[in-house]
Amino acid sequence: NAGVTQTPKFQVLKTGQSMTLQCAQDMNHEYMSWYRQDPGMGLRLIHYSVGAGITDQGEVPNGYNVSRSTTEDFPLRLLSAAPSQTSVYFCASSYSFRLNTEAFFGQGTRLTVV
Amino acid sequence: AQRVTQPEKLLSVFKGAPVELKCNYSYSGSPELFWYVQYSRQRLQLLLRHISRESIKGFTADLNKGETSFHLKKPFAQEEDSAMYYCALGGGETSGSRLTFGEGTQLTVNP
Repeated sequence: NAGVTQTPKFQVLKTGQSMTLQCAQDMNHEYMSWYRQDPGMGLRLIHYSVGAGITDQGEVPNGYNVSRSTTEDFPLRLLSAAPSQTSVYFCASSYSFRLNTEAFFGQGTRLTVV
Repeated sequence: AQRVTQPEKLLSVFKGAPVELKCNYSYSGSPELFWYVQYSRQRLQLLLRHISRESIKGFTADLNKGETSFHLKKPFAQEEDSAMYYCALGGGETSGSRLTFGEGTQLTVNP
């Protein structure tokens, strides 16, 4: 079972460049989310989606866009990369948004902005 | 606003010693709490949730509403327990899967 798949695993960007981090899940999960992981700060929620066509902001949304055109895919776009966006990014999915169900995580994308 | 605090960034114990990873939370409703673990070069995964009241890999965690704590305990640590541990709080009745994570505790179990 593939679960949650993120691509790429590593990426280096120059300041001002844009890129899209891909996330796909094959579990027909309703809820998908993006987190960034920074030392000493844990995981912070960037954006989330409760279903196809529905997205909302999390704790740290500035500089990021998302869309959810299908149940399976939830890409994260960096519009104009900044060094402050250097981080490890995790995509996660859960069966339901309302219920406390287990979150399944991707393997992460390590992004460096120079 | 909900908040999760893990006061120890780093915790080091010897194999066979007891270990306790602390987690405190702030939440006005009835909390749903989890522990997630990230082993080296592996993805983050669920370790246990408080509603299950189960022991996973020898770990247990008890929800103490009076002290607003959900500490993770294991009586005899093993080297394979070395990992990053995150305490997480669910979003409540209308957004249960929206998780708030603590800062994380890096546990090292020395031989």
